Amino acid sequence: KQEVTQIPAALSVPEGENLVLNCSFTDSAIYNLQWFRQDPGKGLTSLLLIQSSQREQTSGRLNASLDKSSGRSTLYIAASQPGDSATYLCAVRSLNSNSGYALNFGKGTSLLVTP
Amino acid sequence: DAGITQSPRYKITETGRQVTLMCHQTWSHSYMFWYRQDLGHGLRLIYYSAAADITDKGEVPDGYVVSRSKTENFPLTLESATRSQTSVYFCASSEGPTAFFGQGTRLTVV
Repeated sequence: KQEVTQIPAALSVPEGENLVLNCSFTDSAIYNLQWFRQDPGKGLTSLLLIQSSQREQTSGRLNASLDKSSGRSTLYIAASQPGDSATYLCAVRSLNSNSGYALNFGKGTSLLVTP
Repeated sequence: DAGITQSPRYKITETGRQVTLMCHQTWSHSYMFWYRQDLGHGLRLIYYSAAADITDKGEVPDGYVVSRSKTENFPLTLESATRSQTSVYFCASSEGPTAFFGQGTRLTVV
């Protein structure tokens, strides 16, 4: 069974800092990895999708990397802003899934960016 | 509107009652999923469906029933609600690499 772990569980940084969120997974046979953002009481917003053949994806101030062989992904947020405050979820779609390629989620990193 | 819609957004029900959460998607995606989100557990898969009339259990299926008579709808029924089923429920669909999520239903069982 694919296990997804996110570190740290919570993070507080001052505005303007660059930061890194970490995600690790136990089975490297993956289809893709997706990073989501979740605001309090809201749904999930997809931020970046990395296919298993890719090393990284970028969108604005966000950059996600994937090292499939070591079972790791990082989400890099440049020049953080208070509006970045949210919970960030990492999710993996496994090749060996017996659940219709459902996503396996980490428990998330709760990010607070202070002005 | 295109997308994936869940209803109701909020629901309070009593222990022992049957309650159905609705999920509708407009893309005709083959795959649909139900997750529950709880503090300390993250999102866990309840049931999934690969196509109309094809459903299967996920990680935490006990106490839930699903059906999928039409591609666009994937209702989740709690046959006899328990307090442990108090949670936020998310429906998702996918056709290819990306999964799309509904806004969630916050269910409280009292």
